[in-house]
Amino acid sequence: DIQMTQSPSSLSASVGDRVTITCRASQSISRFLNWYQQKPGKAPKLLIYAASSLQSGVPSRFSGSGSGTDFTLTISSLQPEDFATYYCQQSYSAPRSFGQGTKLEI
Amino acid sequence: EVQLVQSGAEVKKPGESLKISCKGSGYRFTTNWIGWVRQMPGKGLEWMGIIYPADSDTRYSPSFQGQVTISADKSINTAYLQWSSLKASDTAIYYCAREFSSASMDVWGQGTTVTVSS
Repeated sequence: DIQMTQSPSSLSASVGDRVTITCRASQSISRFLNWYQQKPGKAPKLLIYAASSLQSGVPSRFSGSGSGTDFTLTISSLQPEDFATYYCQQSYSAPRSFGQGTKLEI
Repeated sequence: EVQLVQSGAEVKKPGESLKISCKGSGYRFTTNWIGWVRQMPGKGLEWMGIIYPADSDTRYSPSFQGQVTISADKSINTAYLQWSSLKASDTAIYYCAREFSSASMDVWGQGTTVTVSS
């Protein structure tokens, strides 16, 4: 099974900051990497699929990059509504494992 | 509008059985895998398994193989997750989600809270 490791586990930032979250796969997953945002009490929301494709309706301040084993999610200028937990997920093979999450706090 | 609507919250005792549902609408239900994801209280997301409603082809995470059963009824656009004997450790929120481009999960149900307590 493929293991996904996110860093950091938590992150404090301010409105307007540029933030980067990283995700590493235990083996190459090509570009089969997705990013989700989850707010308390809500279902996860797809932000980025296939490493760098922005899901429809997601603000352009979110971007993704990487291939193989190393990936990043970048938020270019944090907005108040961006404070949430972020998860990466590999969809290269089943089981399609998630990272442990990164909690982004003010 | 593409939607997945899950069944309501459940409170059960250890040893009881349970089947929760996820009904799709607004798209052709048989053409996308449906996945199930567990979130235990205060914890992260865990991928449980997926089913292809057209032929009920199913894949499980080794962590959940034998512990749950995933099924689907394509005639009513509904996927299911069931337990034959619940444990307290099954207490969690369970989400269904549609797999779309690159097997990302683009549409999610609202979640079903399952509480198992004596």
